[in-house]
Amino acid sequence: DAGITQSPRHKVTETGTPVTLRCHQTENHRYMYWYRQDPGHGLRLIHYSYGVKDTDKGEVSDGYSVSRSKTEDFLLTLESATSSQTSVYFCAISAEAGKKEFEETQYFGPGTRLLVL
Amino acid sequence: AQSVTQLGSHVSVSEGALVLLRCNYSSSVPPYLFWYVQYPNQGLQLLLKYTSAATLVKGINGFEAEFKKSETSFHLTKPSAHMSDAAEYFCAVRTGGATNKLIFGTGTLLAVQP
Repeated sequence: DAGITQSPRHKVTETGTPVTLRCHQTENHRYMYWYRQDPGHGLRLIHYSYGVKDTDKGEVSDGYSVSRSKTEDFLLTLESATSSQTSVYFCAISAEAGKKEFEETQYFGPGTRLLVL
Repeated sequence: AQSVTQLGSHVSVSEGALVLLRCNYSSSVPPYLFWYVQYPNQGLQLLLKYTSAATLVKGINGFEAEFKKSETSFHLTKPSAHMSDAAEYFCAVRTGGATNKLIFGTGTLLAVQP
């Protein structure tokens, strides 16, 4: 299994509070991704990172920000949580094309279940 | 632009019966296609992938999928369902480029009846 951990695994928070979710990898992969999973929508990309300090938006980025100060950590912040951000959040990683370990696969973490009241 | 459509949000089969989960894709470039499985309260696990080599791809747990360009399909099959196959299955297409982004279908929840 790919070495990906997410913390916390469960969180309950109140509307209007900031929330930070952490993704940590031990694979030294270049690319990291944050998704949210909601019934009927599958997984939707929030933000992704293609290197330290290099990030870009996905299809559902409003209300979210990310940071990556080290290769192994990718943080997702909900600036001011809303009930519509109640979801399960998954982090994923993939290796860089051209590298020996490259393959096209994204590997997923165990997820964080977030409830915004 | 790439997209994926999974036909049937819920599929129910009897134990021992054929499993067929449908996935159709749209892609402006030769596609890379993936099937992932998600067991309850877990992350996604790769079942199999198509990356322009053999069109019939074999994966874990006895699953396989066939890439059919003429039908823009990548349906997932298993000859004989087992109770442990009950899970949600996601088809995904790579968007191209170096960032390896994926577009996911909405998922198919497979129930296996005894």
